[in-house]
Amino acid sequence: EIVMTQSPATLSVSPGERATLSCRASQSVSSNLAWYQQKPGQAPRLLIYGASTRATGIPARFSGSGSGTEFTLTISSLQSEDFAVYYCQQYNNWPPTFGGGTKVEIK
Amino acid sequence: QVQLVQSGAEVKKPGASVKVSCKASGYTFTGYYMHWVRQAPGQGLEWMGRINPNSGGTNYAQKFQGRVTMTRDTSISTAYMELSRLRSDDTAVYYCARDRGVVVTATFGYWGQGTLVTVSS
Repeated sequence: EIVMTQSPATLSVSPGERATLSCRASQSVSSNLAWYQQKPGQAPRLLIYGASTRATGIPARFSGSGSGTEFTLTISSLQSEDFAVYYCQQYNNWPPTFGGGTKVEIK
Repeated sequence: QVQLVQSGAEVKKPGASVKVSCKASGYTFTGYYMHWVRQAPGQGLEWMGRINPNSGGTNYAQKFQGRVTMTRDTSISTAYMELSRLRSDDTAVYYCARDRGVVVTATFGYWGQGTLVTVSS
């Protein structure tokens, strides 16, 4: 199965600053890559699919890029509600697999 | 609006089975695949399998083959996930998650609130 590796494990950012999260696949997943946000005690929420398409209701400050094996989630100006754990997930190959997550914390 | 409401927390002994339910509303239940994803305490997300609510057809992750059974009752728009021969490392929050697309995509657009299953002697 495809192994998804996220970096860094923890990212310390000040409100209003830009955050850049990385996700690497052990083999090409084309653009079949999704990003999720999870806050403590809550279920994950779909942010991005198709590597760069925002899900319904997701603010424009969230953007995704990349293809093949290297992907990036960018949060252009962090708001207080954006501090959370972010997971990438590939759905190109069976079974779908998730990365280990990046925690975005307040600096 | 789409809602997935799961059954409540469970405490089970090693070797027992657990069955978690997921009641769907706000959309045509048979129109979208339902997936199950689990998350051990403080850990990441792990996909377990999926069910086609229309046909009842299932696909399971290799890791859970032989221990997991996913079913559905279309009359009450409810999906079920049963995990048998429980071990302590099955302690986790179990989520149902509806596929984002009418054509199955294995992306998860709607999630249940999660069901904590604790396995302890």
